[in-house]
Amino acid sequence: GAGVSQTPSNKVTEKGKYVELRCDPISGHTALYWYRQSLGQGPEFLIYFQGTGAADDSGLPNDRFFAVRPEGSVSTLKIQRTERGDSAVYLCATSPRETPGDEQFFGPGTRLTVL
Amino acid sequence: AQSVSQHNHHVILSEAASLELGCNYSYGGTVNLFWYVQYPGQHLQLLLKYFSGDPLVKGIKGFEAEFIKSKFSFNLRKPSVQWSDTAEYFCAVPNQAGTALIFGKGTTLSVSS
Repeated sequence: GAGVSQTPSNKVTEKGKYVELRCDPISGHTALYWYRQSLGQGPEFLIYFQGTGAADDSGLPNDRFFAVRPEGSVSTLKIQRTERGDSAVYLCATSPRETPGDEQFFGPGTRLTVL
Repeated sequence: AQSVSQHNHHVILSEAASLELGCNYSYGGTVNLFWYVQYPGQHLQLLLKYFSGDPLVKGIKGFEAEFIKSKFSFNLRKPSVQWSDTAEYFCAVPNQAGTALIFGKGTTLSVSS
């Protein structure tokens, strides 16, 4: 079946601009996660959704970052006033169950470059 | 807070050599443990996982890992690597709330044919 998809695959923007990154989960997966991966590092947690609600947003670095999942399926990560330090690969992962610590299925990521 | 340490940043092996990648975590409670792999140009995918039971778990492509609770370790092993095992390997554990995975920095494995 289809895996997690993310669009765009690459995004180049200028400092100060607003960007939206989209994640389409595997059908039926209720848990959705956003991570950020910088060069030479493992993925770092940003936010976790159970259904439509953000159950844990403690990983969002500041209030420029926001994510939504209005219908419990597609999610959008929004970054305002982008900074060069926001450049990274943004990963989305989903899971069929909301069991703590369950396996997560990752998408291909969106590579964000802020000039 | 939990953390994950991967000891090897870059490992270079010849085909048929044996592999062991170290992973240590800092959490003393019930632990689920994961190894993920990212092949060149592909997305992260699960290699193997430990939830409970037999501490020696087997995953895809001949990989295995052993959970040693007393050492807080979950090392990844493969008796004989292949060129196609060239990839980046990440060890991960759930955070205490179970709301996210905490990843190590990763180990890049390069296998020469």
